[in-house]
Amino acid sequence: ILNVEQSPQSLHVQEGDSTNFTCSFPSSIFYALHWYRWETAKSPEALFVMTLNGDEKKKGRISATLNTKEGYSYLYIKGSQPEDSATYLCAPLLIFGQGTTLQVKP
Amino acid sequence: EADIYQTPRYLVIGTGKKITLECSQTMGHDKMYWYQQDPGMELHLIHYSYGVNSTEKGDLSSESTVSRIRTEHFPLTLESARPSHTSQYLCASSEAGGSYEQYFGPGTRLTVT
Repeated sequence: ILNVEQSPQSLHVQEGDSTNFTCSFPSSIFYALHWYRWETAKSPEALFVMTLNGDEKKKGRISATLNTKEGYSYLYIKGSQPEDSATYLCAPLLIFGQGTTLQVKP
Repeated sequence: EADIYQTPRYLVIGTGKKITLECSQTMGHDKMYWYQQDPGMELHLIHYSYGVNSTEKGDLSSESTVSRIRTEHFPLTLESARPSHTSQYLCASSEAGGSYEQYFGPGTRLTVT
């Protein structure tokens, strides 16, 4: 089983803080990189799909970058809000990382 | 909002029982998937299907079986449930081709006593 690593595993921040997470994957398996957001008691929802080296995607206060040559992607949240509290999963193809669980305190 | 449904949402059942977890989607997606997630662990792909009458095992070995007789329906069956099958099971679907962006169901939380 190919390894997808996400760090940190969990993160507690104050409202208004900016934060970022990392997803590392073997660059040899790259096809597309997905970021999903999974809120408690809900289904995972797609945030971004990234396919090209150097891709940058943005949705509101959340953005992501991709480096396929070195096998990593960063997810950034600017000015975290309590509603951003969720587990953020990355998945190159159909292999998921363990996720980063973000708690934003008001 | 994604139109993918799973039933039951929660199931507590005794060892040795046969169970079927239902998954249906109304988006006409050709590709469907089953994932298993133990507490605190990753989602692991256990089965997938790229169309009617096509099923494959995922990267995590599972004693469950699946069928794909209709595009919209992808049930998962355990012939004889065991406590080691206690887990959360998530169903997902995606369009044919493209980037494999998946739409997930709400999950079934299975407990085998």
